[in-house]
Amino acid sequence: DIQMTQSPSSLSASVGDRVTITCRASQSISSYLNWYQQKPGKAPKLLIYAASSLQSGVPSRFSGSGSGTDFTLTISSLQPEDFATYYCQQSYSTPRTFGQGTRLEIK
Amino acid sequence: EVQLVESGGGLVQPGGSLRLSCAASGFTVSSNYMSWVRQAPGKGLEWVSVIYSGGSTYYADSVKGRFTISRHNSKNTLYLQMNSLRAEDTAVYYCARDRSYDSSGYPDYFDYWGQGTLVTVSS
Repeated sequence: DIQMTQSPSSLSASVGDRVTITCRASQSISSYLNWYQQKPGKAPKLLIYAASSLQSGVPSRFSGSGSGTDFTLTISSLQPEDFATYYCQQSYSTPRTFGQGTRLEIK
Repeated sequence: EVQLVESGGGLVQPGGSLRLSCAASGFTVSSNYMSWVRQAPGKGLEWVSVIYSGGSTYYADSVKGRFTISRHNSKNTLYLQMNSLRAEDTAVYYCARDRSYDSSGYPDYFDYWGQGTLVTVSS
């Protein structure tokens, strides 16, 4: 199975900050990488698919980049509603696997 | 509007069985890839199973031989039959619509999720 490792595991930031979350795959996955946001007690929400494509309805402050083994999710200017846990997920091979999550907290 | 509503979770003893349902609206289950994804309490996400529009099914190794994914086309509903349940199956189970980036024939990402149903395996 392909292992996905996110860093950091947790992060404190302030409203208005620019934040970057990293996801690394244990082998090359081309651009088969998706990002989700999950708030406590809620289902995950798709943000980015195919490494850099913004899901319809997701604010443009969210962006994704990378290919091969290294990927990033960037939030250009944090808003109060962005404090949540973020997961990456690969679809290069079965089983599809997720990163362990990055918890984004208010500083 | 796309909606997914799970039901059927609850408390079950180790070795027991449970069937989860996921009622869909706003799209046709049988025309899409559909998956189950679970999340143990305080833990991350784990893909469990997928059913293709053509009927092919695939499972995570952790549930293979114990869980069965299926659908009822006229009810537009997805199911997960869970047998021989273990304590480590305790989790919130989400159904999700599964999409492909292109016409590759393989699902890639989950664009709509249900609210989840909690399964607790304990004596």
